Amino acid sequence: GQSLEQPSEVTAVEGAIVQINCTYQTSGFYGLSWYQQHDGGAPTFLSYNALDGLEETGRFSSFLSRSDSYGYLLLQELQMKDSASYFCAVNNYGQNFVFGPGTRLSVLP
Amino acid sequence: DTGVSQNPRHKITKRGQNVTFRCDPISEHNRLYWYRQTLGQGPEFLTYFQNEAQLEKSRLLSDRFSAERPKGSFSTLEIQRTEQGDSAMYLCASSLGRDRGGTEAFFGQGTRLTVV
Repeated sequence: GQSLEQPSEVTAVEGAIVQINCTYQTSGFYGLSWYQQHDGGAPTFLSYNALDGLEETGRFSSFLSRSDSYGYLLLQELQMKDSASYFCAVNNYGQNFVFGPGTRLSVLP
Repeated sequence: DTGVSQNPRHKITKRGQNVTFRCDPISEHNRLYWYRQTLGQGPEFLTYFQNEAQLEKSRLLSDRFSAERPKGSFSTLEIQRTEQGDSAMYLCASSLGRDRGGTEAFFGQGTRLTVV
């Protein structure tokens, strides 16, 4: 089976950098994704790591280390609009996407 | 194409009634997924289709739940004899599943079900 863990809440101030961690216990997967979900909204895709290392997309970067069963999402130059829930998800060998419990990010002025 | 569309957006029903939700995926996407999400939790996988074939169902999907994708386009999720525990947001997602199932799922706005 697939099991993912994330911190439940993270708080940071506008303009800062924040890292949201994701640890997992899986029988293997194709890749690790990150999604953002604002209250009342749909999850939206942010990034995908198929290989170990860092992927950068604008203010957001994502990292994967399969040997450490660990990944993170790095958000730079935080803005108030970044306040949302963030989910890591594994591509379960093309069968489906298994999501973590989510981390609620609060950005303070 | 404006993305994944779900109807209705909200549904209130009495316990024991049947409900049906519809999902229209992005037109060129061959994969369609149903998820359920409760407050403060991540989306939980229910089932997925590749074209019209239902390839996997979660153990969460009891016999009261059934999903179809008759022509490989839109999909319906029916819940029979609803229970209060069925109250949740039901999310539909689609992806272009190539050799590894795709890297990105596009979600609809969801149908919020309340069973009273």
